[in-house]
Amino acid sequence: GAGVSQSPSNKVTEKGKDVELRCDPISGHTALYWYRQRLGQGLEFLIYFQGNSAPDKSGLPSDRFSAERTGESVSTLTIQRTQQEDSAVYLCASSRDRLNTEAFFGQGTRLTVV
Amino acid sequence: DQQVKQNSPSLSVQEGRISILNCDYTNSMFDYFLWYKKYPAEGPTFLISISSIKDKNEDGRFTVFLNKSAKHLSLHIVPSQPGDSAVYFCAAFAGGTSYGKLTFGQGTILTVHP
Repeated sequence: GAGVSQSPSNKVTEKGKDVELRCDPISGHTALYWYRQRLGQGLEFLIYFQGNSAPDKSGLPSDRFSAERTGESVSTLTIQRTQQEDSAVYLCASSRDRLNTEAFFGQGTRLTVV
Repeated sequence: DQQVKQNSPSLSVQEGRISILNCDYTNSMFDYFLWYKKYPAEGPTFLISISSIKDKNEDGRFTVFLNKSAKHLSLHIVPSQPGDSAVYFCAAFAGGTSYGKLTFGQGTILTVHP
């Protein structure tokens, strides 16, 4: 596709369950980011992948959060034992390379933990 | 620690007038700044950027001003149009190991009235 694609667009889950969110970046983009936006808040950095370098995980809020990326393609963000405070819109973005500052965002996954 | 701050949660402007959106930052290592626009249920889209070696960048109706000594940037939209109504995020970027990790403000909701 032409843009960053995220799935699912909406996810409702019960507290304590695990969820997996998917991001398909723009083809050829080596950099991939995950952000989240909780209600009334700004965009909170979670994790950054750049090519084959070790990911920058400094934004992950707890060890319940993890993310993987296969080469320069799909990324999955996994949240284990979800809590109500995990409810947010999770946004994925990609950019051409680490020197290219313009990031293109997907439409986000709205996660609701009940 | 909010390194990028947008202190005005909302702004209301009449069509045809100027919209001025403000952003302050605390990290002197930031050397590149971007503005993103976000419509409901969509991911943010890149609008305009400025490097720290400049103090102004213009693109059509949009101009970004950077005051490094004050650690302040602003986005001017002239003339404002109803279609500009959206949430505007400013973002900052530091070179070196942080390259690629955008730090966002909380966003300002702009409403342009016809």
